[in-house]
Amino acid sequence: NAGVTQTPKFRILKIGQSMTLQCTQDMNHNYMYWYRQDPGMGLKLIYYSVGAGITDKGEVPNGYNVSRSTTEDFPLRLELAAPSQTSVYFCASSYGLAGPNLGANVLTFGAGSRLTVL
Amino acid sequence: AQSVTQLDSHVSVSEGTPVLLRCNYSSSYSPSLFWYVQHPNKGLQLLLKYTSAATLVKGINGFEAEFKKSETSFHLTKPSAHMSDAAEYFCVGLTGFQKLVFGTGTRLLVSP
Repeated sequence: NAGVTQTPKFRILKIGQSMTLQCTQDMNHNYMYWYRQDPGMGLKLIYYSVGAGITDKGEVPNGYNVSRSTTEDFPLRLELAAPSQTSVYFCASSYGLAGPNLGANVLTFGAGSRLTVL
Repeated sequence: AQSVTQLDSHVSVSEGTPVLLRCNYSSSYSPSLFWYVQHPNKGLQLLLKYTSAATLVKGINGFEAEFKKSETSFHLTKPSAHMSDAAEYFCVGLTGFQKLVFGTGTRLLVSP
């Protein structure tokens, strides 16, 4: 069982370049998320999706786009890379909503993608 | 608005001594709280979660946390540190519809 798989693990971009971070999960989770992790800042939510065809902005969506055409895949696109987007990006998924069964809201994380924009 | 505050950015212990990682939360209602661990170059892994069924929550690898409403705290403890516990630990709160709030993390250093 692979869980959440992210590619690439490392990438260096030049300012203004575009790229897509891939994320796929094999647990049939409805909810998927993209976070960025900056030193000393914890994790910030970029975008999330509650199911195929449905996406919504998180705390820090500017400069990013997402799509969710299938349950399994949730790619994150950077259109015009900027140095401020240098970070470690984590994709995560969960089964369902918060509620009495908090097990539904436990996140499974990918191993991360380290992006440097020069 | 709910927030979580991790009171220490770094904690250093010797192997075999107790571990205490502190987390305070602010919430106008009974919160949902989690502790996640991140080993170097790895994704985050759930250690334990507070479900309101019991105030003392046991997690994996000998960790536990106690929810104290009077102190608005959810500190993580372990009786005896192991070298493999060296990692970064995140206290996480759940505000509402899939809105997780992460603390800034505490790096645990374990010396022989």
